Amino acid sequence: DQQVKQNSPSLSVQEGRISILNCDYTNSMFDYFLWYKKYPAEGPTFLISISSIKDKNEDGRFTVFLNKSAKHLSLHIVPSQPGDSAVYFCAASEGGAQKLVFGQGTRLTINP
Amino acid sequence: NAGVMQNPRHLVRRRGQEARLRCSPMKGHSHVYWYRQLPEEGLKFMVYLQKENIIDESGMPKERFSAEFPKEGPSILRIQQVVRGDSAAYFCASSPPDRMAIAGTPLHFGNGTRLTVT
Repeated sequence: DQQVKQNSPSLSVQEGRISILNCDYTNSMFDYFLWYKKYPAEGPTFLISISSIKDKNEDGRFTVFLNKSAKHLSLHIVPSQPGDSAVYFCAASEGGAQKLVFGQGTRLTINP
Repeated sequence: NAGVMQNPRHLVRRRGQEARLRCSPMKGHSHVYWYRQLPEEGLKFMVYLQKENIIDESGMPKERFSAEFPKEGPSILRIQQVVRGDSAAYFCASSPPDRMAIAGTPLHFGNGTRLTVT
C-alpha cells in the first residue's frame, strides 16, 4: 500500500531551467509534507516542507506547492544547477508525527 | 556540533550471522528513529525510540529484528540470523524531546549503514 507515490523515477533538466518534481498521496490525514534530497552514500538532507494549511512555501530557489483536493504536491527548483543532481524524496506525516512515509524517489540530473 | 552519527558505514555479514548497527543522535536529542531503504525504494519507517523506551515499533519485522536506546550510549538496531533480503541501507534520524510540540520540525538523518548479506 504505497501511500506516497513519486511516479517519475528519473528526470533530466538542462542547467538554468526549471525542475519540477511531483508527488501524489492517498492518505487524506497527512497534514505535513517534506522534500528530502539525497546524494549517493549519504543520508537524506531536509530541503523544504509545507503544512496542509498552506498551498505554497518558498525558500530561495525551491518552492513547494500543495494541492489538497488533488492530493498532489510538487517541488520547483529554479534555476536548476548541477549541484542539484541527486535523488529527491517526498515524505508525509500525520499530526506532526514522527513517522514519515516516503515516496520511492526521483533521480534528478541537471545537464550543463 | 556533530550530526547524527552511524557506524559502521558498511557491514558485511554471512547468512545466519548477527548484525548490530549503532546510532548516536545529535547532541541534545533524546529521540531516535530507524528507517530502512531497500534497493530502488524509498525509506520505510521501522521504529521510534526514546531513552529506555520504545514508542512505536509498527514498522519492525516481527522476527529477528530488535532495537534499543539505553540510558547511556548509542541506539542499537540488531538483526539476528540475517538473510539476503536484509541487505539494505539503514538510516537513523534523531529529534529533540519537544519535537511533537513543535509540529513540522524535520528529522535529521545520519549517513546510514549499508548492510550486505552474502
